[in-house]
Amino acid sequence: EIQLQESGPGLVKPSQSLSLTCSVTGYTITSGYDWSWIRKFPGNKMEWMGYISYSGSTNYNPSLKSRISITRDTSKNQFFLQLNSVTTEDTATYYCARGDWEPNWFAYWGQGTLVTVSS
Amino acid sequence: DIQMTQTPSSMPASLGERVTISCRASQGISNYLNWYQQKPDGTIKPLIYYTSNLQSGVPSRFSGSGSGTDYSLTISSLEPEDFAMYYCQQYDSSPWTFGGGTKLELK
Repeated sequence: EIQLQESGPGLVKPSQSLSLTCSVTGYTITSGYDWSWIRKFPGNKMEWMGYISYSGSTNYNPSLKSRISITRDTSKNQFFLQLNSVTTEDTATYYCARGDWEPNWFAYWGQGTLVTVSS
Repeated sequence: DIQMTQTPSSMPASLGERVTISCRASQGISNYLNWYQQKPDGTIKPLIYYTSNLQSGVPSRFSGSGSGTDYSLTISSLEPEDFAMYYCQQYDSSPWTFGGGTKLELK
């Protein structure tokens, strides 16, 4: 069974960097598919942030392009989100998800982790 | 970016009721539209892909339809486990975008 689990600090100060880890079990992230970060804001709006593909290429939402980086550690079957220069508007629940190709959708999701940006 | 407008944002409904949630794209998306369900515990589950195709295991009371810019999710007879948040998502062009969500609540 494929499972994804987010982890990382629940509180980040403004202007600092937000760093999260997604640990994947039941599937090797280099075997296929795109591995995404998605966030849900208070008020329920959801935003796709970007992905790292099975080959290591990345694709980011242009709205975040200057602040976001998605990397991976294939030895641990994990991928990571770094979001720089955070503000209170980055307060959200962050999800990692597997983006399948046929069908083209987010087939598997983590449980989500709430990150609050506050001083 | 393609904007997805989902209506209503909340919907009180009764068990056994038929409900429809709408999703309108800011431009045509060629049926590249998915639906997801988020339960109160935060779990997100894909329901319908490419407008009208049910994920394996999704009850047949769920259905999707639409074309062009206008799409909908219908639940023919609400069961207790259906009270949740629902989101549409387009994948016609990157960045993938979601509707604002519909909270289905027990009346």
